[in-house]
Amino acid sequence: AQKITQTQPGMFVQEKEAVTLDCTYDTSDPSYGLFWYKQPSSGEMIFLIYQGSYDQQNATEGRYSLNFQKARKSANLVISASQLGDSAMYFCAMRDSGTYKYIFGTGTRLKVLA
Amino acid sequence: NAGVTQTPKFRVLKTGQSMTLLCAQDMNHEYMYWYRQDPGMGLRLIHYSVGEGTTAKGEVPDGYNVSRLKKQNFLLGLESAAPSQTSVYFCASSDNYEQYFGPGTRLTVT
Repeated sequence: AQKITQTQPGMFVQEKEAVTLDCTYDTSDPSYGLFWYKQPSSGEMIFLIYQGSYDQQNATEGRYSLNFQKARKSANLVISASQLGDSAMYFCAMRDSGTYKYIFGTGTRLKVLA
Repeated sequence: NAGVTQTPKFRVLKTGQSMTLLCAQDMNHEYMYWYRQDPGMGLRLIHYSVGEGTTAKGEVPDGYNVSRLKKQNFLLGLESAAPSQTSVYFCASSDNYEQYFGPGTRLTVT
């Protein structure tokens, strides 16, 4: 069965520092997509970044980058130059290309300190 | 362009009552999803649809039913609400890439 694991319930980072949020996944399918979403305290879900299983390069979107290590089945999110507005819950998710279902991890709550 | 909207935003039900949550999207997406979010458990898939007239069970379907009679709408029904269904419900739609989420419905069952 497919599974997403986020082992860090909470993280602290100093403003302007970089932070890595861990995500490991388990699937036997060769084709899948990996996503990161941000959920601020206001509750909405905001898409951050996507990595396809066949993509050779790590995805980047502004200050967000996805450290994709296929052999280790990890898809860590790196946020560079943290800002106070980055304080939120972050979810890693995987899409099954066959069923179109998405599976979410339990999330990591990030707090950026001034 | 409203994106994904959910109705209602808040609801309080008594045990045994029924209700329907409405999700609407204006992006012509084929795929639509219903999730529930509980503290410490992330988002769990209840039901989903890969096109008009189709529905499929997700991870936690018991106690819920869904219908997708029109492409733009995805309805989630609770026939006999239970306190265990107290949660925040999110609807999402997708074009086979990222999901677009609605603002959520906070449901309390007493």
